[in-house]
Amino acid sequence: DVKVTQSSRYLVKRTGEKVFLECVQDMDHENMFWYRQDPGLGLRLIYFSYDVKMKEKGDIPEGYSVSREKKERFSLILESASTNQTSMYLCASRKQGDGYTFGSGTRLTVV
Amino acid sequence: SQKIEQNSEALNIQEGKTATLTCNYTNYSPAYLQWYRQDPGRGPVFLLLIRENEKEKRKERLKVTFDTTLKQSLFHITASQPADSATYLCAPYNQGGKLIFGQGTELSVKP
Repeated sequence: DVKVTQSSRYLVKRTGEKVFLECVQDMDHENMFWYRQDPGLGLRLIYFSYDVKMKEKGDIPEGYSVSREKKERFSLILESASTNQTSMYLCASRKQGDGYTFGSGTRLTVV
Repeated sequence: SQKIEQNSEALNIQEGKTATLTCNYTNYSPAYLQWYRQDPGRGPVFLLLIRENEKEKRKERLKVTFDTTLKQSLFHITASQPADSATYLCAPYNQGGKLIFGQGTELSVKP
């Protein structure tokens, strides 16, 4: 089974901190994604990547950046964390044309 | 703008009955559509993918239909069990290379 592993389950950070959320997948998938999920707003796409060193903006990229230096790893960076970035962050990967495999999520609280 | 509508009200059914969940979309023509299950505090889990040229897809007790004229997908769980209780997400694929998720319908199966 494909595994998508997110480095932290729960994270508490201070406003203004630079935050790194790490995601690793173990099945050589080309595509990787970062979503955030908020009550009443559903899953919203932040950034995605079709291959190493490639990145595309999703629907809500403001305040975020990403890095994909290796195929198996896709990092989400909050340049200067703000309280409105408190959310559940979900990473996913997929093989072209297949369903997505999601990680368990990171619940980030910015205080 | 592209919009996905799933029943916002929770669906409560008795064990053994068939659960039917609805997904309507507007302003685009997805090449395929996916359904996911999400349990509280966890990432979504891929269930089924149906393509635009397929009317129906089955997997064990699950059945999905896709009507591109009505712009609607129906998701059925037959012989439902309490373990089927979860939130079910519909996700049509748009031509920008992105999966867009509905907000989900919460299903509760009572013994």
